Amino acid sequence: DAEITQSPRHKITETGRQVTLACHQTWNHNNMFWYRQDLGHGLRLIHYSYGVQDTNKGEVSDGYSVSRSNTEDLPLTLESAASSQTSVYFCASSDGGGDPTDTQYFGPGTRLTVL
Amino acid sequence: GEDVEQSLFLSVREGDSSVINCTYTDSSSTYLYWYKQEPGAGLQLLTYIFSNMDMKQDQRLTVLLNKKDKHLSLRIADTQTGDSAIYFCASGGGFQKLVFGTGTRLLVSP
Repeated sequence: DAEITQSPRHKITETGRQVTLACHQTWNHNNMFWYRQDLGHGLRLIHYSYGVQDTNKGEVSDGYSVSRSNTEDLPLTLESAASSQTSVYFCASSDGGGDPTDTQYFGPGTRLTVL
Repeated sequence: GEDVEQSLFLSVREGDSSVINCTYTDSSSTYLYWYKQEPGAGLQLLTYIFSNMDMKQDQRLTVLLNKKDKHLSLRIADTQTGDSAIYFCASGGGFQKLVFGTGTRLLVSP
């Protein structure tokens, strides 16, 4: 069955370290998204991509970067982790084409703690 | 920017109806969505409504949209303990840039 996976599921790191969170989908979806979930804020969009070599900044992109070298993967990198980046991170994908009825499929999430 | 607001918590008894409310600011949103998040999991799309509709029913779920007041609600009939979860409303249009609310935690007690 097609799916979307995230790794690691849990990560503890130290302030200032570089961290990369992986996201992999097997639906061959064009669109991929990264969100962070924080209490009182819901989900906020970090970065998104509409296809290979395409990346765009979301609402809370400072301190994060992404790259899209193939259809299946959109890794999220924290260049220099800060305590404010402690959060649960969700990756999502959708078929694309601009149809608002396309469902976004979410991964299980990565809980990141920055000490 | 776009803002989507929800109450944080709702508690109901099993068998009762639950109504989860949401307000949004972007009147240009083409679709409005309800997602469900179970503990330790990602979000799953429950239902959506097109912005020119007033109501949509899908089994136990009823979505009501008041476009004038920018108010969206999700009614769950005969609420079960398995409905306990966090429910997010989201607004969006083309190309799937969704703006999510803060989420409402629904607790269903036996």
